[in-house]
Amino acid sequence: DAGVIQSPRHEVTEMGQEVTLRCKPISGHDYLFWYRQTMMRGLELLIYFNNNVPIDDSGMPEDRFSAKMPNASFSTLKIQPSEPRDSAVYFCASRKDREAFFGQGTRLTVV
Amino acid sequence: AQKITQTQPGMFVQEKEAVTLDCTYDTSDQSYGLFWYKQPSSGEMIFLIYQGSYDEQNATEGRYSLNFQKARKSANLVISASQLGDSAMYFCAMREPSYFSGGSNYKLTFGKGTLLTVNP
Repeated sequence: DAGVIQSPRHEVTEMGQEVTLRCKPISGHDYLFWYRQTMMRGLELLIYFNNNVPIDDSGMPEDRFSAKMPNASFSTLKIQPSEPRDSAVYFCASRKDREAFFGQGTRLTVV
Repeated sequence: AQKITQTQPGMFVQEKEAVTLDCTYDTSDQSYGLFWYKQPSSGEMIFLIYQGSYDEQNATEGRYSLNFQKARKSANLVISASQLGDSAMYFCAMREPSYFSGGSNYKLTFGKGTLLTVNP
């Protein structure tokens, strides 16, 4: 299996622009997590899905953030409009039984 | 309230020595799971070891072992015979029921991490 695939790996955008991060989980995994990693706050859980249904979005920082999972093989995290404080590494992870498997992350820089 | 606490922002160890990375957790649930992940400078998150709350034996995976003390709510990671390649950030995480959804699903929460440096 190719593992969890995230795209893009790096994204640089201007403040106010819309940013869409993409994730393809491991086939057969029924949980999908979105995390944000910063030096100050560490790894924060933003939202997670079970069988494509959003279960807990209490970690989403503001209404500017939204996430979707239209099918079992694809999820997006959208930031609109983006702000410099959104700069971070965003990880997607998927899980079936026990441990979660992480993608390589998307490093987002908002200037 | 912080669910996972890693009190050591940074640790140093000499190559070939053992090192213990601390982790304490907070939960009122009886069923939960504890994980350790490694994040090298390249950025990927690598799963190392798992301990279930009902497991009676401490988990071991090669040079990694988990010192699970349930009454103290601690799950320390022990790395034996440290290698230069062990230099990385180490995260403790807990899987617990997500009551936001009525408790029927599980979320994974991470500590702030410990940066381990192995010296030659």
